[in-house]
Amino acid sequence: ETGVTQTPRHLVMGMTNKKSLKCEQHLGHNAMYWYKQSAKKPLELMFVYNFKEQTENNSVPSRFSPECPNSSHLFLHLHTLQPEDSALYLCASSQDRQGGGDFGPGTRLTVL
Amino acid sequence: GQQLNQSPQSMFIQEGEDVSMNCTSSSIFNTWLWYKQDPGEGPVLLIALYKAGELTSNGRLTAQFGITRKDSFLNISASIPSDVGIYFCAGPMYSGGGADGLTFGKGTHLIIQP
Repeated sequence: ETGVTQTPRHLVMGMTNKKSLKCEQHLGHNAMYWYKQSAKKPLELMFVYNFKEQTENNSVPSRFSPECPNSSHLFLHLHTLQPEDSALYLCASSQDRQGGGDFGPGTRLTVL
Repeated sequence: GQQLNQSPQSMFIQEGEDVSMNCTSSSIFNTWLWYKQDPGEGPVLLIALYKAGELTSNGRLTAQFGITRKDSFLNISASIPSDVGIYFCAGPMYSGGGADGLTFGKGTHLIIQP
């Protein structure tokens, strides 16, 4: 595997379900990110992890819970989501302030 | 917070035409990035600009970092069908120390008519 991978690619869940999104990067980067992409809105930064430590929580509701066990893996735990949380969730990684970022293909989440 | 205003929102062009899109901000950016996103995929970095006034090319793509540091443009010459997609400008969110992620424009949806 190369680059940034995300699983699952598609997820449908009810509002009472608990699920997790997984991201893995094979680039040796030390920073990982979660973004949310909703229709007709810019990509929104959710969480930033630098050297496994969370450095940014961009006012995200507590029903989204990130976890970064090491610099290569990032999870987003989901519970009691709302239909408006349906979106494409993108993971990215970068090396420090490289200025860019490599994105994964995203998980298309639908909350019923 | 930092906001990027990207225009146009969408473009309908003929194959072979040149394309121009731009991005402006009320804040100064030290880096400008241009991404392309295909349906069902994540954004892919096309060009990164690190210096005011810088003009950088990547094949048929050319991007410039505005001298005021508050704007950037992306040009695509002689468009081809695979250029279809959504193009985003982005800039780093620096708040002191460490990596802080990117802020994005709303995107320019490029549609090419054969």
